[in-house]
Amino acid sequence: EVQLVESGGGLVQPGGSLRLSCAASGFTFSSYWMSWVRQAPGKGLEWVANIKQDGSEKYYVDSVKGRFTISRDNAKNSLYLQMNSLRAEDTAVYYCARVSPTPGIAVYDYWGQGTLVTVSS
Amino acid sequence: EIVMTQSPATLSVSPGERATLSCRASQSVSSNLAWYQQKPGQAPRLLIYGASTRATGIPARFSGSGSGTEFTLTISSLQSEDFAVYYCQQYNNWPTIFTFGPGTKVDIK
Repeated sequence: EVQLVESGGGLVQPGGSLRLSCAASGFTFSSYWMSWVRQAPGKGLEWVANIKQDGSEKYYVDSVKGRFTISRDNAKNSLYLQMNSLRAEDTAVYYCARVSPTPGIAVYDYWGQGTLVTVSS
Repeated sequence: EIVMTQSPATLSVSPGERATLSCRASQSVSSNLAWYQQKPGQAPRLLIYGASTRATGIPARFSGSGSGTEFTLTISSLQSEDFAVYYCQQYNNWPTIFTFGPGTKVDIK
């Protein structure tokens, strides 16, 4: 059974840092593109970042470029999101999501349950 | 940048009725369009990809159509478990950017 379990969320002050983790199991983690997607309270979904299977390609939404870094450790079956210079508008539930392996079909076929990040003084 | 819009924002439907949700892209995304369902307190679930292909385990009452800039998700006969928020997502610019629509909430009339 595919499982994605996020951790690392919490309350942080504006300008602070936080590192999110996503533990993957039930599939060959190193074979999949992975992403982070966030959802502000009561709002819609927003894609945050993508990372290729070997970590050689990374892409970010403009609003987090230069502040967030996506990474992975295939030996540990883990995905990470390092978040620096946090702002109030980064407050959201952060989901880890697996990208479908079907060529040309870049959709999220599995999601974690999310971890809440609150940026507030 | 491709902007996704969805209408209506809220759709009130009685159980057993048909629901039709719309998604529009600001420029063509070909058939690179997916639909997700999200219930309160849960992660989204993939319903449709390639504009019209049901994901594994999705009931036949869910169907998708469209291409280019105009897309539709139809739920043929609403069940109680279908009341949720539905998001469209374009992946035409994969892997550099994904874009979700703002969502349509389907609630009980």
